[in-house]
Amino acid sequence: AQSVSQHNHHVILSEAASLELGCNYSYGGTVNLFWYVQYPGQHLQLLLKYFSGDPLVKGIKGFEAEFIKSKFSFNLRKPSVQWSDTAEYFCAVNLGSSNTGKLIFGQGTTLQVKP
Amino acid sequence: DTGVSQDPRHKITKRGQNVTFRCDPISEHNRLYWYRQTLGQGPEFLTYFQNEAQLEKSRLLSDRFSAERPKGSFSTLEIQRTEQGDSAMYLCASSFSVSGQETQYFGPGTRLLVL
Repeated sequence: AQSVSQHNHHVILSEAASLELGCNYSYGGTVNLFWYVQYPGQHLQLLLKYFSGDPLVKGIKGFEAEFIKSKFSFNLRKPSVQWSDTAEYFCAVNLGSSNTGKLIFGQGTTLQVKP
Repeated sequence: DTGVSQDPRHKITKRGQNVTFRCDPISEHNRLYWYRQTLGQGPEFLTYFQNEAQLEKSRLLSDRFSAERPKGSFSTLEIQRTEQGDSAMYLCASSFSVSGQETQYFGPGTRLLVL
């Protein structure tokens, strides 16, 4: 079965530190890739997405992610985090070759940014 | 664009009771998804509709669960004879699917606690 793995379950950083959250998926075909964020007390919001084209995608709030097909990875990065980035981050995959848009999510990574 | 809304936001029930949740998608979105999220995990797909047709159901969706989207607009998710293991956050998402590329927008969720 297809799965999504997020390696870091809990990350603690100081403000201005750089962030990289890992995401790997297990599926050999075409995929659409997403990062969602859930701020405390809020609902899931889309950070960025990849369908095709340039494997380096930019999202909101200075986040970016790089799709590396050979590594089945879609890691999320931000050069300098802020306290307001404290949230839970979810990587999700949709099998692009299927007609269903259902998302397969990773377990999530809780990011805590210390002021 | 008023976003995806869900009602109620919280529900406490006793084991064995039936509960029903409602989801109102973003208008003109043709797809509607239900997911379930438990503590420390990412959302798990339950079922989805394209317009009024229910096209896929997860094996997670036991016979006690039923979902409808009668007019292709709002959707309801009913759980009959609730069990403690049903306690979770139930998330609804909607999207407009074009050429296999779609972005799902999530509602705030309904948190269910079964006592």
